Amino acid sequence: AQSVTQLDSQVPVFEEAPVELRCNYSSSVSVYLFWYVQYPNQGLQLLLKYLSGSTLVESINGFEAEFNKSQTSFHLRKPSVHISDTAEYFCAVSPTSYDKVIFGPGTSLSVIP
Amino acid sequence: DAGVIQSPRHEVTEMGQEVTLRCKPISGHNSLFWYRQTMMRGLELLIYFNNNVPIDDSGMPEDRFSAKMPNASFSTLKIQPSEPRDSAVYFCASSLRRAPSHEQYFGPGTRLTVT
Repeated sequence: AQSVTQLDSQVPVFEEAPVELRCNYSSSVSVYLFWYVQYPNQGLQLLLKYLSGSTLVESINGFEAEFNKSQTSFHLRKPSVHISDTAEYFCAVSPTSYDKVIFGPGTSLSVIP
Repeated sequence: DAGVIQSPRHEVTEMGQEVTLRCKPISGHNSLFWYRQTMMRGLELLIYFNNNVPIDDSGMPEDRFSAKMPNASFSTLKIQPSEPRDSAVYFCASSLRRAPSHEQYFGPGTRLTVT
C-alpha cells in the first residue's frame, strides 16, 4: 500500500519570499509522483509530475520539486511567491502499474501581501 | 476539450431525500474517479471505474451510496437516503489509463448540503 504525508497543514509566507512545501511518501513499489493545486472553489489541477529521468521537475509558473528516492521525499519549492499562489497544494503518488492515485492531506499556502 | 463536466454545481436537499450527482469525463479517457472532500477528512476516493467497470469501491462509505457508469461518457453517484454528514464537495476526475502518466483531470465539483 502507499501513503503520503504532508507535515505542514498551513504555511503562511510573505509575498516574494521563498517557500517549501514538504511531502514524504511510503511505497513498496515504484511510483509516479505529483503535485496538484486547488484554488478556492475549484477542482484540483496538476502542477507538476515526476515519472522518470531527471529528479528535478518544474512547472510553468515557477514551482519546482525534487524527487529524493533515499529520503522518499518530493518537496515543492518556489523561490519567490505571489499572491496568486495562495491555494491548497496536494502531494500524490501512483503505483506505476496501477492508475489509482493516493493524495496527501494537503497544505494550505497563504501568501501575505 | 471542455474538460470534466459535473452537474449540478450546487445541491441543497433535506435529510432523507435522494441525491444524484452527474459526471461527464473527458472524451477518450477510460478511467473515472469519484472523490469526496471535507475539512475533517480531506480528499477521499469513493470509487474508481476503468472501461466503465467498477475496479475499486472500497471507499464508498455505506450502502446508501451507489455509483454507475453506463457508458464511457457518463457516470452518476447516488446517495439514498441522504444525511447531513454527507455534506461535502464531490469531485469527479478522469484519466487515460496508459503509461507513462496517470495524471487525473478534475471537474469543478458539486457542493452538496444536506439539511
